[in-house]
Amino acid sequence: AQKVTQAQTEISVVEKEDVTLDCVYETRDTTYYLFWYKQPPSGELVFLIRRNSFDEQNEISGRYSWNFQKSTSSFNFTITASQVVDSAVYFCALSENTNAGKSTFGDGTTLTVKP
Amino acid sequence: DADVTQTPRNRITKTGKRIMLECSQTKGHDRMYWYRQDPGLGLRLIYYSFDVKDINKGEISDGYSVSRQAQAKFSLSLESAIPNQTALYFCATSDPRDRVGNEQFFGPGTRLTVL
Repeated sequence: AQKVTQAQTEISVVEKEDVTLDCVYETRDTTYYLFWYKQPPSGELVFLIRRNSFDEQNEISGRYSWNFQKSTSSFNFTITASQVVDSAVYFCALSENTNAGKSTFGDGTTLTVKP
Repeated sequence: DADVTQTPRNRITKTGKRIMLECSQTKGHDRMYWYRQDPGLGLRLIYYSFDVKDINKGEISDGYSVSRQAQAKFSLSLESAIPNQTALYFCATSDPRDRVGNEQFFGPGTRLTVL
């Protein structure tokens, strides 16, 4: 069975600080996909990134970067120079290739960036 | 226009009422899903459908039923709503031919309150 753990329930930082959101996953599949979503106060889910299990390259997109390490089953998300607009709930999710495209979500990390 | 739409966006109802939440998509995807999100928790799968004739229970299907009227439409019903079904409901789609990997496309969510 697939499982995603986001141990940090809430994080509060001051603007311009860097912040890392942790995600640890469990799966028996060798082929799987990891996702990060942002949920702003308005409630919609905003897709941020997808990674497949065969691609351990880290990725950077502007102020966002992701570190995928299969050895520790982690897919962590770092925001550099955080901004107030980054305040949101962030979800990590896992989808196994054998599991019909269903995603298992972590419970989310609420990030508050204070001015 | 949005690819995945949900109606209504907000609904307040009373205990014991029958409620239907509707989801429509223009992405041409065969797979559709219904999730619910409770405060402080991630999304949990209620039902999913591979095509019009294939409907499957998710992890929390009790108290819900679904109907896949067409490839583009997937409705979620609460036959007799109860207060602990107050939640944010998301519809999602995915394409089984997605070679990049299991990405789900989410609707904007329906905020349901059962009094």
